[in-house]
Amino acid sequence: NAGVTQTPKFQVLKTGQSMTLQCAQDMNHEYMSWYRQDPGMGLRLIHYSVGAGITDQGEVPNGYNVSRSTTEDFPLRLLSAAPSQTSVYFCASSVSGTPGNTIYFGEGSWLTVV
Amino acid sequence: AQSVTQPDIHITVSEGASLELRCNYSYGATPYLFWYVQSPGQGLQLLLKYFSGDTLVQGIKGFEAEFKRSQSSFNLRKPSVHWSDAAEYFCAVGALGTGANNLFFGTGTRLTVIP
Repeated sequence: NAGVTQTPKFQVLKTGQSMTLQCAQDMNHEYMSWYRQDPGMGLRLIHYSVGAGITDQGEVPNGYNVSRSTTEDFPLRLLSAAPSQTSVYFCASSVSGTPGNTIYFGEGSWLTVV
Repeated sequence: AQSVTQPDIHITVSEGASLELRCNYSYGATPYLFWYVQSPGQGLQLLLKYFSGDTLVQGIKGFEAEFKRSQSSFNLRKPSVHWSDAAEYFCAVGALGTGANNLFFGTGTRLTVIP
């Protein structure tokens, strides 16, 4: 019972490099999202999706790109990494996009940009 | 705009003592409110949630929370803390304005439990 799986767990990037954080869920959930967690700031929403082919911006979308070609996968792309993107990234999912559904979180991806 | 305030950055309690973690929210309508717990190096786990009805909500691991509209608060409580409760706790409010299942989080309260 995998739930929400994120890869990689740890990554170090150089400024200007691009990379993709992978997120997959095996619960047939329609809603998926990405949050970033920074010290003293809680979690902030980057992008979200209420179903395959549908994505939208959250609170802090700049510098990130997403797509949702399948129900299972919701990758987060960093186009040109900056030190300000050093953070812990969490992928999350819920059965639907209806507010109030229980949200399940992955274990996080630690990203350092040097 | 919605916001969530957790005024206590760090709380230390003795094992067996009672616990109350504070959470205040700002939202015009009846909010969806949540408490999550995060153990070191782990993702977030839902402890409990409130949508409507009974203002005292029971959750997992012996936690409960009380919604007080007059105080815009949703404080988390546990009558007797165990060493395994040491973690970071996040209060969150549903971002209903987006029409989707998005959350606004507080900045978290780190709980230390001393033997």
